[in-house]
Parts: sequence; structure tokens; C-alpha cells
Amino acid sequence: KAGVTQTPRYLIKTRGQQVTLSCSPISGHRSVSWYQQTPGQGLQFLFEYFSETQRNKGNFPGRFSGRQFSNSRSEMNVSTLELGDSALYLCASSFLAGASYNEQFFGPGTRLTVL
Amino acid sequence: GQQLNQSPQSMFIQEGEDVSMNCTSSSIFNTWLWYKQDPGEGPVLLIALYKAGELTSNGRLTAQFGITRKDSFLNISASIPSDVGIYFCAGQSGNTPLVFGKGTRLSVIA
Repeated sequence: KAGVTQTPRYLIKTRGQQVTLSCSPISGHRSVSWYQQTPGQGLQFLFEYFSETQRNKGNFPGRFSGRQFSNSRSEMNVSTLELGDSALYLCASSFLAGASYNEQFFGPGTRLTVL
Repeated sequence: GQQLNQSPQSMFIQEGEDVSMNCTSSSIFNTWLWYKQDPGEGPVLLIALYKAGELTSNGRLTAQFGITRKDSFLNISASIPSDVGIYFCAGQSGNTPLVFGKGTRLSVIA
């Protein structure tokens, strides 16, 4: 079974631009979560989608948004990029959302650099 | 919000030594997960724990779900160079998102 895939793997943008990142979950998984990872803050939860609905949202500004499609693929968008948005953005999929047995499997991440 | 304290932050050990790291929480969790992350990659799930007191092994790795449900530890026996990486604990309760520790960076000296 193929793992979680994320595209692109690397991205360089300038301040003020916007960016869209893509995540394809493991086949059969319906839940997709997004995390921002930085050296100082570690893994910070952005949002979780299940069956095209946002179930949980982390403490990030409205510039960060996401969506999920009917095939469970998900995208996240960051508008008006700031230097502090430079990070590794990780996507994780699981079979169920918010269940007690919520084993999340991560993709390799998208490394975003904002200049 | 919920916070996880993971310690130590970093470790330098000799190949062949045993390693122990732990996480403590201010809140009760129903699930504890341990991940390992290699440079440039996403975290990989090592062990999942679902019941208080549960002790689970995966090869040279052993993890336990604390009986208070507020802590967990991970042991690595007879470390080898490929154990190098960052180890993360993560906890979850109810329908809330996973909460991650800040990680333990392990370096193994051959």
C-alpha cells in the first residue's frame, strides 16, 4: 500500500505570495491532518479534515486554510506569506478522525522557504 | 491547552548503550504514540499505546503507557547508529488532535 504523498517536496516563495500544498492520503484513509514543524515550536497542529469537513482547527491565523476533496486528497493554502511561515509542512492520514485508535501516518513533508 | 513535556531534549550515547526518554502531560490521554523522524522526512510511527499500564515492544524498542495516563516512556536497547534521529511522543484524548512533545534528538557515537 502506498504511503502518504505530498507535493511539492520543496518550495521557495517570497513574502506576500500565496502557496498551495497538496497531500494524498493512504488509500482508504479518510482523515487528513496538517502540521507545521519548525525547530523552535516543534510540530504544531493546523487542521484536520474528515469526509471533506474540517473537524478540528489549530491556533493559526486565517491566512492558513485547507480543504479536502471527495477522494480524500487535501490541500492547504497559505496566503500573504510571511518570513515566519518558513517551515516543514507535514500531512498525516488516518482511517478515522478523532477515534480512540488514531494512528496517524505522515508524509515526507513540503519544505517551504519564504524569502 | 494540553502540553507535553518530553525529556531529555538531546542525548549523546555510545553504540550498544540503552536509551530511555519520557513524556509527561498535564492532562490525561487515551492514546500515546511514539514516532521517529529522520532528517528531511516525516515522522514514522514506532509504537502505539492504548491502555493505561500497557507495555509494548517493537524489536529493540519498548514503550509504556503510564498508569496515571499522564506519562509514557520509550526505551531503546543496545543502540545502533541507525537509531540516530528525533523521537517524538504524541498524546490524544477524545476527539482532540494529537499533541506532540518537542522531541528528543538522539546521537549515537560508534
